[in-house]
Amino acid sequence: RKEVEQDPGPFNVPEGATVAFNCTYSNSASQSFFWYRQDCRKEPKLLMSVYSSGNEDGRFTAQLNRASQYISLLIRDSKLSDSATYLCVVNDDTNAGKSTFGDGTTLTVKP
Amino acid sequence: NAGVTQTPKFQVLKTGQSMTLQCAQDMNHNSMYWYRQDPGMGLRLIYYSASEGTTDKGEVPNGYNVSRLNKREFSLRLESAAPSQTSVYFCASSLRTTKETQYFGPGTRLLVL
Repeated sequence: RKEVEQDPGPFNVPEGATVAFNCTYSNSASQSFFWYRQDCRKEPKLLMSVYSSGNEDGRFTAQLNRASQYISLLIRDSKLSDSATYLCVVNDDTNAGKSTFGDGTTLTVKP
Repeated sequence: NAGVTQTPKFQVLKTGQSMTLQCAQDMNHNSMYWYRQDPGMGLRLIYYSASEGTTDKGEVPNGYNVSRLNKREFSLRLESAAPSQTSVYFCASSLRTTKETQYFGPGTRLLVL
């Protein structure tokens, strides 16, 4: 079983739709969590950190459920420019270099 | 402010050849990382350096060596390239640890024939 699992998709949604991605992790020692966005053939870039209390950045909302060991990303009012692959990242902060990336969820927003 | 730079952008090698991938950051970050990304997969950590003068193995270190030349530069060497090392290689840096944002370079696309 992979340490971090994501539904690969693809998710194909119309503009304006709301879409949610989940990411499950197996290491209960995991302490910090992030969502990165990766455009085709480009480097990953931080989308947002995920805080225990949940956090929102404009149309994006991230939530953490430690008991069930998953994080989620909700995108409201999808734009064409949201089309990308979204990578879930889980860190074991007791091990300074250990980031585990999910394989990514691909989102395509269509007109 | 260039962020993280990588050279070369593309490289084709024959099996058994060696090469060094270069990475530099100008953000005064302490930690630097090398990842590989295979098609349809997430990034896997090859090596990381928590500070100048230290390096540690990641998830997939076999076939690679690294050098943290100074605070700015972190190179990845393939001593004897194999087709299984065909991948996209990303270098990243963060201020201290992975608890902070990792900033990635544009990647090096490597094909080993």
